[in-house]
Amino acid sequence: KAGVTQTPRYLIKTRGQQVTLSCSPISGHRSVSWYQQTPGQGLQFLFEYFSETQRNKGNFPGRFSGRQFSNSRSEMNVSTLELGDSALYLCASSWDEGQPQHFGDGTRLSIL
Amino acid sequence: AQSVAQPEDQVNVAEGNPLTVKCTYSVSGNPYLFWYVQYPNRGLQFLLKYITGDNLVKGSYGFEAEFNKSQTSFHLKKPSALVSDSALYFCASRGSGYSTLTFGKGTMLLVSP
Repeated sequence: KAGVTQTPRYLIKTRGQQVTLSCSPISGHRSVSWYQQTPGQGLQFLFEYFSETQRNKGNFPGRFSGRQFSNSRSEMNVSTLELGDSALYLCASSWDEGQPQHFGDGTRLSIL
Repeated sequence: AQSVAQPEDQVNVAEGNPLTVKCTYSVSGNPYLFWYVQYPNRGLQFLLKYITGDNLVKGSYGFEAEFNKSQTSFHLKKPSALVSDSALYFCASRGSGYSTLTFGKGTMLLVSP
């Protein structure tokens, strides 16, 4: 069974640009969550989608948005990029809330 | 609000010795508790999950975790550490009712030869 796939693995952008990150969950998993990981703040929850509906949202500005498609694939978008958005963005999928989340290897976003 | 605390930034242990990585949690209701491991430039890998009623949970790679309800703790243990166990370990909790998964700040485990 294929794991969670995140594309691209690395991305370099400049301030003010926007970016879209993609996540393909494990087949059959309906829940997809996104996290931002930085050395200073650790792992911070961005949002969770379940069957195309946003079920939970973390404390991030509106520049961060996401969506989930009918095949459970998910994208997150960050607009008007800031230097502080440089981070590892992790996607995780699970069957449901009580089940373990399985993580992709992340997208490393660097803002110049 | 739920929270997870990992009081140690780093744990050092010699290969072959037992290891413990500490975690305490605060969550309403019966918690879902998890341990994950992260190697450099990789995502998090699931190690084990607390199942209601089991005070000792066995997981992958010889790891186990001890659940203590009165102390609200879920410490990760391994009887004999390997150098390859050196990595960043995260404890996480999730309450019932579609709450979010909350992570501790992580503990770096360094196993010396």
